[in-house]
Amino acid sequence: SQKIEQNSEALNIQEGKTATLTCNYTNYSPAYLQWYRQDPGRGPVFLLLIRENEKEKRKERLKVTFDTTLKQSLFHITASQPADSATYLCALPFNQAGTALIFGKGTTLSVSS
Amino acid sequence: NAGVTQTPKFQVLKTGQSMTLQCAQDMNHEYMSWYRQDPGMGLRLIHYSVGAGITDQGEVPNGYNVSRSTTEDFPLRLLSAAPSQTSVYFCASSYDGAGTEAFFGQGTRLTVV
Repeated sequence: SQKIEQNSEALNIQEGKTATLTCNYTNYSPAYLQWYRQDPGRGPVFLLLIRENEKEKRKERLKVTFDTTLKQSLFHITASQPADSATYLCALPFNQAGTALIFGKGTTLSVSS
Repeated sequence: NAGVTQTPKFQVLKTGQSMTLQCAQDMNHEYMSWYRQDPGMGLRLIHYSVGAGITDQGEVPNGYNVSRSTTEDFPLRLLSAAPSQTSVYFCASSYDGAGTEAFFGQGTRLTVV
């Protein structure tokens, strides 16, 4: 099965800066990778999907890259705001059939004003 | 639409008791999953289902049973609760396993004493 590592548990940045979060995986190359946001006491909420044949995806202030050679995805939040403070989770297919997702442990982002 | 509904929101059990965590979705999704979330461990996949009558084990299935008799419902059963099962449990559903977003319930906080 797949293994996922998110390189830091916590990231503190100042408002207006760009936050960069890292997700690394081992074993087989996944057909896709997803990023979720989780606020305290709530379930995760989907943010972005990137497929194996895509290098980069953007959605408003969010950008995701996918490097299948390095087995790594980077998640960027530009012009960060205090409202972006949350835990961000990387998710991959549990197996090559994609029957479920598995998640990294998450990175908790704190944006200070 | 209600999305994914989990009941109860909170539960305290004594060691050895049994209970069922309920999960229902109204989006006609075939794929459903159960996760537990513990501090420092992230979301871990317990069991999943790709349709009515089809279930399989995830990363941490021991101590849990599931069944899927309808598309809408995917209950999680604890047969004999142990303190190690104290956790927050999340149910999720998605349309398929090809990268469509997963929708999560609000979670059930379970304490086993």
